[in-house]
Amino acid sequence: EDQVTQSPEALRLQEGESSSLNCSYTVSGLRGLFWYRQDPGKGPEFLFTLYSAGEEKEKERLKATLTKKESFLHITAPKPEDSATYLCAVQAANYGQNFVFGPGTRLSVLP
Amino acid sequence: ETGVTQSPTHLIKTRGQQVTLRCSSQSGHNTVSWYQQALGQGPQFIFQYYREEENGRGNFPPRFSGLQFPNYSSELNVNALELDDSALYLCASSPGTAQETQYFGPGTRLLVL
Repeated sequence: EDQVTQSPEALRLQEGESSSLNCSYTVSGLRGLFWYRQDPGKGPEFLFTLYSAGEEKEKERLKATLTKKESFLHITAPKPEDSATYLCAVQAANYGQNFVFGPGTRLSVLP
Repeated sequence: ETGVTQSPTHLIKTRGQQVTLRCSSQSGHNTVSWYQQALGQGPQFIFQYYREEENGRGNFPPRFSGLQFPNYSSELNVNALELDDSALYLCASSPGTAQETQYFGPGTRLLVL
């Protein structure tokens, strides 16, 4: 069964404490994997798109990587403003053009 | 800059009523997708429109319907509202239908009493 899972469900870090979030997927014909950040009560904000295994993207303190089965979002020296829910989504050949989202990881960064 | 807007921001309805939610996509974006996000969960795909034609649908009943207009605006209509329809409704736009990034609006929070 096709699915997208994320771990951990919630993560609490001290400011400056680096960590990684995981997105695992079991889909056929991956066309793209997308990372979004979502603040409470707001729409998801686009972060990265990854298309093939081995690809990496970076933006400020965030770095996304992709393998054939999972993606990682690495957060280096996080700040309190990085606190949000991080969502990953996959676009696969058998889903048409829509995204299938994981449940998200709630990140809290304490000062 | 995404430029995707949604209205209204919040809405309260009672069970059995009908509701229309609106979205304005970024100029030049021919594809709009609608998602339902329950509290604490990831968004769930409802349907997608490309150049005013439905281009895919998720596991939602027919009482969820949509329209897309030539001016990059779109609507999500929900009939016979149920309590479980309470959620954040998101629209997202992208230039075409290929493997492209979708840009989300701020959402409409719907509460069904």
